[in-house]
Amino acid sequence: RKEVEQDPGPFNVPEGATVAFNCTYSNSASQSFFWYRQDCRKEPKLLMSVYSSGNEDGRFTAQLNRASQYISLLIRDSKLSDSATYLCVVNKYNNDMRFGAGTRLTVKP
Amino acid sequence: DTGVSQNPRHKITKRGQNVTFRCDPISEHNRLYWYRQTLGQGPEFLTYFQNEAQLEKSRLLSDRFSAERPKGSFSTLEIQRTEQGDSAMYLCASSPGTGGAGYGYTFGSGTRLTVV
Repeated sequence: RKEVEQDPGPFNVPEGATVAFNCTYSNSASQSFFWYRQDCRKEPKLLMSVYSSGNEDGRFTAQLNRASQYISLLIRDSKLSDSATYLCVVNKYNNDMRFGAGTRLTVKP
Repeated sequence: DTGVSQNPRHKITKRGQNVTFRCDPISEHNRLYWYRQTLGQGPEFLTYFQNEAQLEKSRLLSDRFSAERPKGSFSTLEIQRTEQGDSAMYLCASSPGTGGAGYGYTFGSGTRLTVV
C-alpha cells in the first residue's frame, strides 16, 4: 500500500466551479500534512499546510481527519490559473516528506 | 537568486554512462533532500542529509546511485551505468530543519535526465 494515495483525476471543471480533492495516508503516526501545487514541468510549491481544526486560505480550504487518516482540499470559485497538479504531502518524521502521486485539475473557460 | 539551484537543467546520456547532478541549497538550510519524479507520479524520496551526514536512504536508491554532501553545503547525486528506467526528473529540496515540519521546504527546478 502506498504511504499517500490520491485520486489521480483528471478533474475538468468550468470556471467558477467548486472542486474537492481527497487523500488518504497509511502511517497513523504522521504529524504534519500539506498540499503542494505543481505546474507542468515545474517544481512543487507549497500551497498550504493542513491543520487538525481545518484551515482556509482565500478560496482554498483544507481539512484533516486523523481518525480516518484522510485529508481534503476544497477549491471554490475555480480560476483558469488553478489548473495544475495538486500533491498531498505527509510528514513522516522530522522534515521527511512523502508525496502522493497528485491530482490533476484543469479549469476550463 | 537565493533559492535552491540545480545543475544541469537537462541531461541526455547514453545507456551505460555515468552522470552527476549538483544541488546548491539555500545557504542557511542544513537539510537537503533528493527526490525522483516520473511522469504522472509525485516526487519519490531518495535520500536526505543533515549537514554532511546522510541520514536516510530509500530502497529506491540502488547500488548504482550515490549521493554526497561533503562540506554540508552543496550535494551531488551520481548515477553509474545508467539505464533507461533512470529517466526522470531529479529534484532537490532543502529546509532549515527548524521551525516545525515542512517549514521552509523549498524545491529546486530539477534536473531532467533522459537515458537513450
